[in-house]
Amino acid sequence: GDSVTQMEGPVTLSEEAFLTINCTYTATGYPSLFWYVQYPGEGLQLLLKATKADDKGSNKGFEATYRKETTSFHLEKGSVQVSDSAVYFCALSGDAGGTSYGKLTFGQGTILTVHP
Amino acid sequence: DGGITQSPKYLFRKEGQNVTLSCEQNLNHDAMYWYRQDPGQGLRLIYYSQIVNDFQKGDIAEGYSVSREKKESFPLTVTSAQKNPTAFYLCASSIASVRTEAFFGQGTRLTVV
Repeated sequence: GDSVTQMEGPVTLSEEAFLTINCTYTATGYPSLFWYVQYPGEGLQLLLKATKADDKGSNKGFEATYRKETTSFHLEKGSVQVSDSAVYFCALSGDAGGTSYGKLTFGQGTILTVHP
Repeated sequence: DGGITQSPKYLFRKEGQNVTLSCEQNLNHDAMYWYRQDPGQGLRLIYYSQIVNDFQKGDIAEGYSVSREKKESFPLTVTSAQKNPTAFYLCASSIASVRTEAFFGQGTRLTVV
């Protein structure tokens, strides 16, 4: 079935460091891909999305490119801030024939902590 | 403001009691979902509904029940049959179309003592 695998965390960085969180997926057809962010004690917020191959989603300095050839959707940010400390989830919504058709499948989440 | 409202934010229940978590949305979305979140395990789908009066089991439906009598409401009941109910529960909704994002409520943290 459809699945999402994220790099294991936690990830600890200093302010202004470069961030990469790896995400790879397995899915039937052409899913849409998403990154969500969760701050402590809150629900998930959509950070960015991409709906087809080679699309680049971007928001608040974060970027991710839909790579069909490597089935990846890695999250990057050039200079992180303390306020970026949160849990980041990669997710997919699948195509017809897949187990994520009409719903979201999530990775296990990556905890990011940014120190001043 | 449009959005998804979950209530209460914190809920405590004694073991063996059923408890119902509320989820209401005013986004006019057809699809609604319930996820369970445990530390280190990401989000797991409990139940989902694509249309009023219809719903499907997700990956971990045992010990849970839902109803979808109105488009804007999708309550989740955690029954006494759920062996480990203490968790953070998240409700979400989306337009009834494939490959679309979902929007989430603020969650309910259920603690069973």
